[in-house]
Amino acid sequence: AQTVTQSQPEMSVQEAETVTLSCTYDTSENNYYLFWYKQPPSRQMILVIRQEAYKQQNATENRFSVNFQKAAKSFSLKISDSQLGDTAMYFCASVCSQGGSEKLVFGKGTKLTVNP
Amino acid sequence: DAGVIQSPRHEVTEMGQEVTLRCKPISGHDYLFWYRQTMMRGLELLIYFNNNVPIDDSGMPEDRFSAKMPNASFSTLKIQPSEPRDSAVYFCASSSGTGNYEQYFGPGTRLTVT
Repeated sequence: AQTVTQSQPEMSVQEAETVTLSCTYDTSENNYYLFWYKQPPSRQMILVIRQEAYKQQNATENRFSVNFQKAAKSFSLKISDSQLGDTAMYFCASVCSQGGSEKLVFGKGTKLTVNP
Repeated sequence: DAGVIQSPRHEVTEMGQEVTLRCKPISGHDYLFWYRQTMMRGLELLIYFNNNVPIDDSGMPEDRFSAKMPNASFSTLKIQPSEPRDSAVYFCASSSGTGNYEQYFGPGTRLTVT
């Protein structure tokens, strides 16, 4: 079974600065995908970024990038030039692509506050 | 393209009443997921469908919960009878099934059972 752990319940950052959110996961599979989702106060779950485990290159989406360390089973999210609109809960998630399952396993989330 | 549509957005009901939550997935998506989110338990997968067929319902808490997907564009999650501990935000999500595993969520239904 897969597990996803986010060890930082809350974090804060000043506007325009950079912040890194941590995530570790545990899986015995070789083929899997990792995701970061954002949930702002509106509660809408928004997909931020995806990483395929077989790709060595870290995924990037504008100001969002990941540091994927497969051996360490670590998948952190870096937000550059933080904006007030980045204030949200951030969830790390994984899915094992072997066996045909589409089940996403989520971490407990990290509450990020961007201060002006 | 319209996203995942859920209705109602808010539901307040009394204990013992039947509650029906509705979801319309993104057109062309083959997978549909129902999640429940609470402060205590976080985000939990209740059930998911592939091509209208339930694939995994191991997350459904008990017999009071049931889900159906009569066609590719509509699904319901029913709670009968409802209890205060069912109070939560219920999300529907869909994915294309093309192998990228990206799930797109609806806005959620906030259910309050008094």
